[in-house]
Amino acid sequence: QVHLVQSGTEVKTPGSSVKVSCKASGDDFSSHVISWMRQAPGQGLEYMGGILPGLSAEKSAQNFQGRVSFTRDDSTGTAHMLLSGLTSEDTAVYYCARGLQGVAAAFDQWGQGTLVTVST
Amino acid sequence: QSVLTQPPSVSGTPGQSVSISCSGSSSNIGLNTVNWYLQLPGTAPKLLIFSVNQRPSGVPDRFSGSKSGTSASLAISGLQSDDEADYYCATWDDNLDAAVFGGGTKLTVL
Repeated sequence: QVHLVQSGTEVKTPGSSVKVSCKASGDDFSSHVISWMRQAPGQGLEYMGGILPGLSAEKSAQNFQGRVSFTRDDSTGTAHMLLSGLTSEDTAVYYCARGLQGVAAAFDQWGQGTLVTVST
Repeated sequence: QSVLTQPPSVSGTPGQSVSISCSGSSSNIGLNTVNWYLQLPGTAPKLLIFSVNQRPSGVPDRFSGSKSGTSASLAISGLQSDDEADYYCATWDDNLDAAVFGGGTKLTVL
């Protein structure tokens, strides 16, 4: 069983970037896709993309292409999401989640969430 | 505007059964499996159903899922007050090449 722990709350100014980390404790991190979702205040879940195991190929959703990147270090069980060009519309709770092997859009372990506030 | 369409809210009384619908299209639900998540206020989502009708370990059999064509449903029987939460459907969209979620349904147990 893996437990995902994310980095803490961030307050950013418009135009800046934010990097959120996601550290796994327990087994079975390196063989799973790590995906990232976000949830704006009072809104639903939005898929941002993810990073595959092995060669660490990234996939980002169209809404975020060119603005988001994902990295992982399987030796330390850590994944990161970097989002640049922040605007107030990026204010949200950001989640990392482990993909259930062989089942698309199924995420069986989630981090606790990281609140990112973008404000002047 | 979510790719998958869910009713904003449903309600029921303790012991009753309720159903939450999730409508998609031929590029998502029509081609791929459906998953459901439960989210309590202020907490991360939890996987409730995967691959249309499979329950992760620990999820009671009061929760069940189904799919027909481009729509899916989550059924909850024997409603309990603890079931009050937001429920989301999710699947993969082949056109978008991305996971897509419904807008969420708030379940109220009266």
